[in-house]
Amino acid sequence: TQLLEQSPQFLSIQEGENLTVYCNSSSVFSSLQWYRQEPGEGPVLLVTVVTGGEVKKLKRLTFQFGDARKDSSLHITAAQPGDTGLYLCAGANEDNFNKFYFGSGTKLNVKP
Amino acid sequence: EAQVTQNPRYLITVTGKKLTVTCSQNMNHEYMSWYRQDPGLGLRQIYYSMNVEVTDKGDVPEGYKVSRKEKRNFPLILESPSPNQTSLYFCASGGSSYYGYTFGSGTRLTVV
Repeated sequence: TQLLEQSPQFLSIQEGENLTVYCNSSSVFSSLQWYRQEPGEGPVLLVTVVTGGEVKKLKRLTFQFGDARKDSSLHITAAQPGDTGLYLCAGANEDNFNKFYFGSGTKLNVKP
Repeated sequence: EAQVTQNPRYLITVTGKKLTVTCSQNMNHEYMSWYRQDPGLGLRQIYYSMNVEVTDKGDVPEGYKVSRKEKRNFPLILESPSPNQTSLYFCASGGSSYYGYTFGSGTRLTVV
């Protein structure tokens, strides 16, 4: 059982469309991060959110941390083929912030 | 360039033959961690270290050992590898788990 559940698992869309990826848990997290991973490479950190209700923007990407710090979302506006990759949410559990958990990931394919 | 360096990138070994995967970071990070990534299971934490000589178990520590004698290095040791340890391994470092990690490029291990 994953501590962090991501949905959807797979997403295939056309260039220019918008999309949202969700990351949910029954546990409270002291912080949550989003990473992007290319095949054969390590995950690359996109953003960290730490405050309930926080919204952060990174160009066409918008990240939100739920008020209760149990969920997060990643919204991409006008997706481009360069956005293709595996998106992972991850976080440090409030009970032990040294233990770190990853969601199972959302595989995004943006077709030109 | 700030980076986490893992070696080797690829390794094929036989059951029971001790091996070490090295990990080094040049960012003076206190926090380092090892993960394995398996299809359908995502990234799971094996061990983490909060500082020199301070290590603790993650979610899947069985069959692995680590040491942290110097701040920059955090090797992963498999004393008697078994086929179920075939996986993609990542080392990561950060100022703290709270803000996220920098990952290495990964080590693909096959145990036959």
